[in-house]
Amino acid sequence: SQQGEEDPQALSIQEGENATMNCSYKTSINNLQWYRQNSGRGLVHLILIRSNEREKHSGRLRVTLDTSKKSSSLLITASRAADTASYFCATPGGTGTASKLTFGTGTRLQVTL
Amino acid sequence: NAGVMQNPRHLVRRRGQEARLRCSPMKGHSHVYWYRQLPEEGLKFMVYLQKENIIDESGMPKERFSAEFPKEGPSILRIQQVVRGDSAAYFCASSLRTSGSYYNEQFFGPGTRLTVL
Repeated sequence: SQQGEEDPQALSIQEGENATMNCSYKTSINNLQWYRQNSGRGLVHLILIRSNEREKHSGRLRVTLDTSKKSSSLLITASRAADTASYFCATPGGTGTASKLTFGTGTRLQVTL
Repeated sequence: NAGVMQNPRHLVRRRGQEARLRCSPMKGHSHVYWYRQLPEEGLKFMVYLQKENIIDESGMPKERFSAEFPKEGPSILRIQQVVRGDSAAYFCASSLRTSGSYYNEQFFGPGTRLTVL
C-alpha cells in the first residue's frame, strides 16, 4: 500500500453522527497531519500530531496515532453538513524542519441532513 | 495577514502553449512547495524551493516543467508545451523557516486549475 492511505475511500453519514477515518503509512515519521479539502478548493490544515503523542484534540476533532501499527485515525464528533469534504492524512518525507508531504488518496465524507 | 496566494485561479491553455503559475507565500515564509492533484486523487509533491534555491525536485517531471523562487517576487511553476495530461489542480504551500526539530505546518493556497484543450 502507499504511504498515507486512508480508508474508507468514501463515507456517508447523517448530521449529528460521528465520522471516523483511518490512515496507514509505511515509513517512520516524526509527525502526521490531517487536512480537509472542500470540493474544488484548497487544503485546510486541521491538526498535527507528533510521533511522541498518542492522542490530540481540537474542537470536535480527535486524532490518534499508533506508531507501532503505523496508523492514525481522525474522529469528527457530532458531524455537520459543513463537514462534507475530502480528508487527507499527510506525512513528511524527511525528518528535517521543512520537507515535502506525502498525501494519501483521501476519504470523501458526505454529511446529510 | 494574507494567506498563500496563487494566480491565476483558473488557466486554460491549448496544447503546445506555455503555462505559468504564480505563488506568493505567506509573509515571513521562505519555504515554498508545489503539489499537483489529478481528479479524485490526493496531492503529489513536485518541488520544494527556498529563496533562489531548489532544494528537492524529485517529484518534477524531467521535461517541460521548471520552478523558481527568486529573491524578489512570487514563486513560478512553468510548464512548457503543455499536453492534455497536464490538466490538473496545482497547489502551492509555504512554511516558516526555523531552527531545531520543530516541524512547521504547510499552509496551502487555493490552487490553480489548469485545463489543457
